[in-house]
Amino acid sequence: QKEVEQNSGPLSVPEGAIASLNCTYSDRGSQSFFWYRQYSGKSPELIMSIYSNGDKEDGRFTAQLNKASQYVSLLIRDSQPSDSATYLCAVVYGGSQGNLIFGKGTKLSVKP
Amino acid sequence: DAGITQSPRHKVTETGTPVTLRCHQTENHRYMYWYRQDPGHGLRLIHYSYGVKDTDKGEVSDGYSVSRSKTEDFLLTLESATSSQTSVYFCAISESWTGARGTGANVLTFGAGSRLTVL
Repeated sequence: QKEVEQNSGPLSVPEGAIASLNCTYSDRGSQSFFWYRQYSGKSPELIMSIYSNGDKEDGRFTAQLNKASQYVSLLIRDSQPSDSATYLCAVVYGGSQGNLIFGKGTKLSVKP
Repeated sequence: DAGITQSPRHKVTETGTPVTLRCHQTENHRYMYWYRQDPGHGLRLIHYSYGVKDTDKGEVSDGYSVSRSKTEDFLLTLESATSSQTSVYFCAISESWTGARGTGANVLTFGAGSRLTVL
């Protein structure tokens, strides 16, 4: 069974704090991992991709991957109210274009 | 901008009627997808296409059919709509992507979505 698990939230953090979003996946052979952001009523948009163990940083965003633990996370530093959205974790299973599995998403709320 | 247009953006229909949603892309991408998004279920793949007349089923394909007669158009058809097919439908294309935030394939870009209500 291909599963991508996320805490549905809502996760509430104060402005300026670090938001930590977590995701676990069931297929040990997965190689590609993505974080999408979805504002209410809008379509998902890619914010980070990660393929190797460790951290990848881009501005205020850091994606972390631990394949041994089958765990992916997204850290948002200096959180802003504009970061309030649902964050979707997505995992490619089996290396096929058609096998991108999404988690149900974590809703983040950043309070001013 | 991947140039993805979905139509219609909103549709209300009655149970048992046929419905076709259209996805149009302007950049000659080979892979196209149809997802549905429902509260409590997240995004689920319905069908995808890897070329003209080449399609395959996804996780929730029952009750749906697709066609791709031209590279730019991917149609999703509900032959006889049911209330369980009330959802937001997203079309997506897949492209290799290189940028400050990463590189690789399997990167999806989504259309704006089509909200379908089946009464």
